[in-house]
Amino acid sequence: DTGVSQDPRHKITKRGQNVTFRCDPISEHNRLYWYRQTLGQGPEFLTYFQNEAQLEKSRLLSDRFSAERPKGSFSTLEIQRTEQGDSAMYLCASSLTGRSEDQPQHFGDGTRLSIL
Amino acid sequence: AQKVTQAQTEISVVEKEDVTLDCVYETRDTTYYLFWYKQPPSGELVFLIRRNSFDEQNEISGRYSWNFQKSTSSFNFTITASQVVDSAVYFCALSAEYGGSQGNLIFGKGTKLSVKP
Repeated sequence: DTGVSQDPRHKITKRGQNVTFRCDPISEHNRLYWYRQTLGQGPEFLTYFQNEAQLEKSRLLSDRFSAERPKGSFSTLEIQRTEQGDSAMYLCASSLTGRSEDQPQHFGDGTRLSIL
Repeated sequence: AQKVTQAQTEISVVEKEDVTLDCVYETRDTTYYLFWYKQPPSGELVFLIRRNSFDEQNEISGRYSWNFQKSTSSFNFTITASQVVDSAVYFCALSAEYGGSQGNLIFGKGTKLSVKP
């Protein structure tokens, strides 16, 4: 069990550029979540997948944000035309969920995004 | 609407002191889950405990204990004989139940605990 892995750890980019983050969940975990955390705040939910299906999106997820989990394993989160307000830590979590196997979410180290 | 309130923004104690972190939640759901996570300076959120709404038994794990009281909508966390390694931001979180399993987490703003030697 290698834990949730996120790449890159840090991303610095200029305003207006597109960025993409990757998350590799714990193997066999069927649920994958994305959260965003700004300084001094708790994480805020963005979206989650059950296998490859995106089941819920927060209102925080503007049209510039898109997430995919094409084969039900790793996931990507893309932000287009980045803005200053997108600067935050982006956290990925995974869990094994089902009627008889409902485990808590385990988080990765996050990707810290800085917009210049 | 669901909400988690951690009224204590920062707490500072001296090593070996006991400390209690408060958490108050709001939900209209009858079935829900409560969590505590620890976020050390390194940044990774570490799962500590999960409780479902039907299990009001208090739990003790080593120096950690949790007091769940539905009557006051509280889920408080106590560290006994605190140590410097306990220094971190602690988050309380809530999730509803969807289809028999937990949903996304609603986090409080966190309490920063500093334990001084």
